[in-house]
Amino acid sequence: AQKVTQAQTEISVVEKEDVTLDCVYETRDTTYYLFWYKQPPSGELVFLIRRNSFDEQNEISGRYSWNFQKSTSSFNFTITASQVVDSAVYFCALNLYNTDKLIFGTGTRLQVFP
Amino acid sequence: GAGVSQSPRYKVTKRGQDVALRCDPISGHVSLYWYRQALGQGPEFLTYFNYEAQQDKSGLPNDRFSAERPEGSISTLTIQRTEQRDSAMYRCASSPAERGGPDTQYFGPGTRLTVL
Repeated sequence: AQKVTQAQTEISVVEKEDVTLDCVYETRDTTYYLFWYKQPPSGELVFLIRRNSFDEQNEISGRYSWNFQKSTSSFNFTITASQVVDSAVYFCALNLYNTDKLIFGTGTRLQVFP
Repeated sequence: GAGVSQSPRYKVTKRGQDVALRCDPISGHVSLYWYRQALGQGPEFLTYFNYEAQQDKSGLPNDRFSAERPEGSISTLTIQRTEQRDSAMYRCASSPAERGGPDTQYFGPGTRLTVL
């Protein structure tokens, strides 16, 4: 069975702190894709990143970075020097190569206080 | 360019009524998906179209739910005889890929459905 677990329901930090959001996935497939989406208070779902299972290089985009480790089936997301605008619910999702659906975790609500 | 649009953004209806939710994908995107998101949960897959063909409807909860995309662009998700348990955010997404799978899905703003 395929599954995505985001064990952290809610995280609160003060502005400028670094924060890591955890994502653990389960699949027996060897080819798959992992995603992160952001859902700000306005409610839309915004794409952040996509990684395939053959590319374990970490990725950095500004204050955002992602750590993909197949050995632990994890795809964690770190925000460096958090800002109030980072406050949102963040979803991790899994897409198997031969299917058409995203399997989402339950999300982590991040609150950044000034 | 314009993103995925959905209408209405909010829909309040009485139990037993039919509702139709509309999705207009990003221009040129071949694949279109419908998801349902309950409060405090992640989106859950309902159905998927490749052009006008409905390729997968395994996520539709029962036969009160149906979807169509007759001309391969705009899609309508219809819920007949609505029940209170149908209350949720209904999200549409599109991707440029000719088949589902690893291509990135871009989501619309969603339709918040409330069944009284």
